Amino acid sequence: GENVEQHPSTLSVQEGDSAVIKCTYSDSASNYFPWYKQELGKRPQLIIDIRSNVGEKKDQRIAVTLNKTAKHFSLHITETQPEDSAVYFCAATPVIARFGAGTRLTVKP
Amino acid sequence: GAGVSQSPSNKVTEKGKDVELRCDPISGHTALYWYRQSLGQGLEFLIYFQGNSAPDKSGLPSDRFSAERTGGSVSTLTIQRTQQEDSAVYLCASSPGTRGTEAFFGQGTRLTVV
Repeated sequence: GENVEQHPSTLSVQEGDSAVIKCTYSDSASNYFPWYKQELGKRPQLIIDIRSNVGEKKDQRIAVTLNKTAKHFSLHITETQPEDSAVYFCAATPVIARFGAGTRLTVKP
Repeated sequence: GAGVSQSPSNKVTEKGKDVELRCDPISGHTALYWYRQSLGQGLEFLIYFQGNSAPDKSGLPSDRFSAERTGGSVSTLTIQRTQQEDSAVYLCASSPGTRGTEAFFGQGTRLTVV
């Protein structure tokens, strides 16, 4: 099955700075790469996803980039705000089953 | 329903007892997943159902864990002879099943084994 590695495990930034989280995957057949955000005590929710036919996707302050050759993809959050503080998980499919270990992002006011 | 529903939301059980956790997926979703999340940890894959195909049980940690999905809808995760290390939040998710689609999570069942 797919093996997804996620780095860093923790990330602390000042409000307004950018944050970048990276994931690598092993299965070259993977074609869908979602990112989930889990706030404390809540369920994970999808924040952005990308498919293998594009290299980058943006949604306001959030972007995801994909490098299929190198088998890695990254989540970029610009102009971070305290409400961005959460744990972020990546996954690589064709079938969503296994997630990366997660990144705990703390945005300090 | 409007979303993935799990019951109970909280369960406290004595060590050695069996427990059953229920998941009602979004209507029409053919894919259903179970995950375990220990405090402050990641999403540990347990089992995956897709339509009528044989489930992917590769994540089940021991033979005390089993799951079934009846009629392609509701799923039950059963833990036999519970141990203290089974204490965690058990999350269920469902998706339309088409490869490369969003999975929607339930609110989870917090299991505490005392």
